[in-house]
Amino acid sequence: EPEVTQTPSHQVTQMGQEVILRCVPISNHLYFYWYRQILGQKVEFLVSFYNNEISEKSEIFDDQFSVERPDGSNFTLKIRSTKLEDSAMYFCASRRGTGVGEQFFGPGTRLTVL
Amino acid sequence: QQPVQSPQAVILREGEDAVINCSSSKALYSVHWYRQKHGEAPVFLMILLKGGEQKGHEKISASFNEKKQQSSLYLTASQLSYSGTYFCGTESGNRDDKIIFGKGTRLHILP
Repeated sequence: EPEVTQTPSHQVTQMGQEVILRCVPISNHLYFYWYRQILGQKVEFLVSFYNNEISEKSEIFDDQFSVERPDGSNFTLKIRSTKLEDSAMYFCASRRGTGVGEQFFGPGTRLTVL
Repeated sequence: QQPVQSPQAVILREGEDAVINCSSSKALYSVHWYRQKHGEAPVFLMILLKGGEQKGHEKISASFNEKKQQSSLYLTASQLSYSGTYFCGTESGNRDDKIIFGKGTRLHILP
């Protein structure tokens, strides 16, 4: 069964450093998302991406964040200058097509900012 | 605006039933239900669509009252594997809509 994959599973970085979180969505999916979850809290939407551009972003997704689909398979989230409060699980999700349907979540990347 | 879930936590004995509720102040197009175990990604349980269509793949049922903007998830004859945090998520119906998740309901099943 196809699945969303994410790398790395755990990333430790120093405050102020740049990090890139990588995701490979399911191959025939068209809509891509990043969510984050601070430990013990709810899952929060960051950004949605369709047709090679951002569709919507939350207030969390400020200028320090960017997303890219550099080739036909990868979907990346870059945090330019990490802050302590960026420490969280970051989940990538993808959806097949238009209309309502299941979003398939990847296993997540745990980001720890020291 | 995030949906509101209740209760916040439930403790059951194996075999007992549970109901988890989700309500929204916004008009809803769909409600998603996910279960998350500690340290893992949310796993899709069910989606309920405006108009009554329902999609899921586990032995779990749910209802969606469009007029009241409420959904309930029914777990019957609970098993130990049902333990986890249940999140409802809502969509307003845009083409590529995000899911807005509630704060979750922690379910703990005792043997």
